[in-house]
Amino acid sequence: NAGVTQTPKFRILKIGQSMTLQCTQDMNHNYMYWYRQDPGMGLKLIYYSVGAGITDKGEVPNGYNVSRSTTEDFPLRLELAAPSQTSVYFCASNLLAPGYNEQFFGPGTRLTVL
Amino acid sequence: GDSVTQMEGPVTLSEEAFLTINCTYTATGYPSLFWYVQYPGEGLQLLLKATKADDKGSNKGFEATYRKETTSFHLEKGSVQVSDSAVYFCALSDNTGNQFYFGTGTSLTVIP
Repeated sequence: NAGVTQTPKFRILKIGQSMTLQCTQDMNHNYMYWYRQDPGMGLKLIYYSVGAGITDKGEVPNGYNVSRSTTEDFPLRLELAAPSQTSVYFCASNLLAPGYNEQFFGPGTRLTVL
Repeated sequence: GDSVTQMEGPVTLSEEAFLTINCTYTATGYPSLFWYVQYPGEGLQLLLKATKADDKGSNKGFEATYRKETTSFHLEKGSVQVSDSAVYFCALSDNTGNQFYFGTGTSLTVIP
């Protein structure tokens, strides 16, 4: 199992550009999440999904969009990049089942908006 | 709502020193509790967990006990190593299992 994979690892955007951060998991997990981690801070939930076709907002959804067309993939879209979106983005997944509720994280995407 | 509060860092210790990182939580019902570790440039990895009161999670010499009476889940290690230098996050998942709440992280540096 590759676990949770994210691409790209690094990206620099100009203000107003758009991009998609990719996330894929091969563990057949039903739940997937996107977090952002700002320097010296904890994780803030952007969006999450409880299964294919179902998404919901987290704590900081503004400026982002997601989709979940398959169990494996959960891309995060930035439409008009702003400097405030400079952060490290982590995708995570878990299987909602008794005794299996820990999250598995991808390696992260470091995004800089200039 | 549910939340986690953990000890502010950074923490600097000498090798073989005793480590405690405090974590307290607020939650309704019976959450599961976790400690995650993040090494430089990497994602978070599960270090240990506990799913009910009085459970003790342990891994790699680290331990934490789920204390419902004090709503705490403090992380301890008897003798830290340089390789333990990382950021440690306390977290909880609510009853539904579909929401996770993370503390702000505590940076640990162990010097030889």
